[in-house]
Amino acid sequence: DSGVTQTPKHLITATGQRVTLRCSPRSGDLSVYWYQQSLDQGLQFLIQYYNGEERAKGNILERFSAQQFPDLHSELNLSSLELGDSALYFCASSVATGGGSNAGELFFGEGSRLTVL
Amino acid sequence: AQSVSQHNHHVILSEAASLELGCNYSYGGTVNLFWYVQYPGQHLQLLLKYFSGDPLVKGIKGFEAEFIKSKFSFNLRKPSVQWSDTAEYFCAVKRNTGFQKLVFGTGTRLLVSP
Repeated sequence: DSGVTQTPKHLITATGQRVTLRCSPRSGDLSVYWYQQSLDQGLQFLIQYYNGEERAKGNILERFSAQQFPDLHSELNLSSLELGDSALYFCASSVATGGGSNAGELFFGEGSRLTVL
Repeated sequence: AQSVSQHNHHVILSEAASLELGCNYSYGGTVNLFWYVQYPGQHLQLLLKYFSGDPLVKGIKGFEAEFIKSKFSFNLRKPSVQWSDTAEYFCAVKRNTGFQKLVFGTGTRLLVSP
């Protein structure tokens, strides 16, 4: 158990719909990261938050948005869903996000598997 | 932007065989390097990491990796694999400055036959 909790574990929805994925980081971790894992694209970085503020952005579509709340949990909102959005969405957390010995050591949740039909 | 290449997409080995998985990255500055493992149906877990110092890094479960700066490589090795090592292995790199994202390679699926 990594200490990172993601809900829901599985989600099936239709094209055009909107879903919200939730992540609770490890206790004490200030950084939250979202990754998308699909068979053809591998593990793609979407977005990173640190203590409520967006810190880095990757290949995140405009239809997707995220936020980190004061209690440090994070939500990833996916709207106008398309078939190609079907993937495993991972949340990860870390203590810090800069340099240093702990930087970059991410702890991953078990993922939310999204299926768009 | 930095990128990570894992040359072997699928590797099949018999138990007790030696393993080496290649990883090359494209950033010329100071980086932190990682290998993560994803066992079937599970989340990613850290195998080992390199920040500085001895370029030969030892991780969990008998894995090790060697950072060769001149080759921009961070290959993962294990002298004798076990069936339980069947998993997907991801190399990752992060610039060692400020708020930098962790970039993953495409992964290598390892199948160890008993």
